[in-house]
Amino acid sequence: EIVMTQSPATLSVSPGERATLSCRASQSVSSDVAWYQQKPGQAPRLLIYGASTRATGFPARFSVSGSGTEFTLTISSLQSEDFAVYYCQQYNNWPRTFGQGTKVEIK
Amino acid sequence: QVQLVESGGGLVKPGGSLRLSCAASRFTFSDYFMSWIRHVPGKGLEWVSHISSSGSIKYYADSVKGRFTISRDNAKNALYLQMNSLRAEDTAVYYCARVYYAFDIWGQGTMVTVSS
Repeated sequence: EIVMTQSPATLSVSPGERATLSCRASQSVSSDVAWYQQKPGQAPRLLIYGASTRATGFPARFSVSGSGTEFTLTISSLQSEDFAVYYCQQYNNWPRTFGQGTKVEIK
Repeated sequence: QVQLVESGGGLVKPGGSLRLSCAASRFTFSDYFMSWIRHVPGKGLEWVSHISSSGSIKYYADSVKGRFTISRDNAKNALYLQMNSLRAEDTAVYYCARVYYAFDIWGQGTMVTVSS
């Protein structure tokens, strides 16, 4: 199975600053990666999938880059509502697999 | 808006069984693949099972293969997960999710606790 490895595990950022989250796949998954946001007590929400398709409700400060095995989620200017856990996930191969998550916390 | 609502979770003893249901509304259920995903408390997300729009193709994680069965009833807009031979490590919040490339719509989840 394809292992998705996220780093760092925790990212401490001040509001208004940029956050950069990384996700590495153990083998190429082309651009078939999705990112999810999960807040405490809530279900995950699809944030972005594919090369750059943002889900409904998420603003342009969220962007992604990468293909193959290296992927990056960037939040350009963190807002209070962005503090959450972010997961990457590949949908190129079975079984579908998730990274272990990056918690973005207030510095 | 588009909605998925899970039910059927609860406390069950090791070796026991449970059937989860997921009710879909406000979209054409029969057009979409569906999946079950679980979240172990304090840990990450694990994809559990997937079913095609017609129900003819099914996939399972190795950790549940032979114990869990996914099914759907398109006439009732419902997705199911029959869980047998439950183990402590199956304890998690179980989500149903609509598949459109990724998991684009999630339910609120139902908690399954396997404990004696």
